[in-house]
Amino acid sequence: AQSVSQHNHHVILSEAASLELGCNYSYGGTVNLFWYVQYPGQHLQLLLKYFSGDPLVKGIKGFEAEFIKSKFSFNLRKPSVQWSDTAEYFCAVSLGSNTGKLIFGQGTTLQVKP
Amino acid sequence: EPEVTQTPSHQVTQMGQEVILRCVPISNHLYFYWYRQILGQKVEFLVSFYNNEISEKSEIFDDQFSVERPDGSNFTLKIRSTKLEDSAMYFCASRGQAHNQPQHFGDGTRLSIL
Repeated sequence: AQSVSQHNHHVILSEAASLELGCNYSYGGTVNLFWYVQYPGQHLQLLLKYFSGDPLVKGIKGFEAEFIKSKFSFNLRKPSVQWSDTAEYFCAVSLGSNTGKLIFGQGTTLQVKP
Repeated sequence: EPEVTQTPSHQVTQMGQEVILRCVPISNHLYFYWYRQILGQKVEFLVSFYNNEISEKSEIFDDQFSVERPDGSNFTLKIRSTKLEDSAMYFCASRGQAHNQPQHFGDGTRLSIL
């Protein structure tokens, strides 16, 4: 069965540190890739998405992610985190089918210390 | 920016009772979804809905569950006879027609079964 795994469950960083959150998926066909963020008390918001084209995708708030097809990975990066980036981050995949259902990773809680 | 809205934000129900969770998707969206997240676990796909019918459902979505779009704006999830293990956060999502549209999520309904 298709699955998504996020390597880090809980990450603690100081402000200005660089961030990389790992995401791998298991599916051999065409995929669409997403990172969502959930700030405390808020709904899931889209950070960035990849459907096709340039594998380096830029999103909101200075985040970017790189799709490496050979590694089945879509890691999220940010060069310098801020306290306001404290949130839970979810990697998700939809398959090439039309229904668009998302398969989520287990989420990574990011805590940024001021 | 248009939002997906969900009501209620928290529902407490006795085991065996029926519960209806309500969602108002973004008005021009055509694909609708329900997901759930049991505390400490992944966000899991339940069902997708398009053109007034279920387009895909997971194995979680058994005969106890049903979805409806009763009036062209609301999208409801009904659980006929709730069980303790139905306690979870339930998220509604919607997306537009184009293939490369991301899903937009509501704030979720926390369902607690006693």
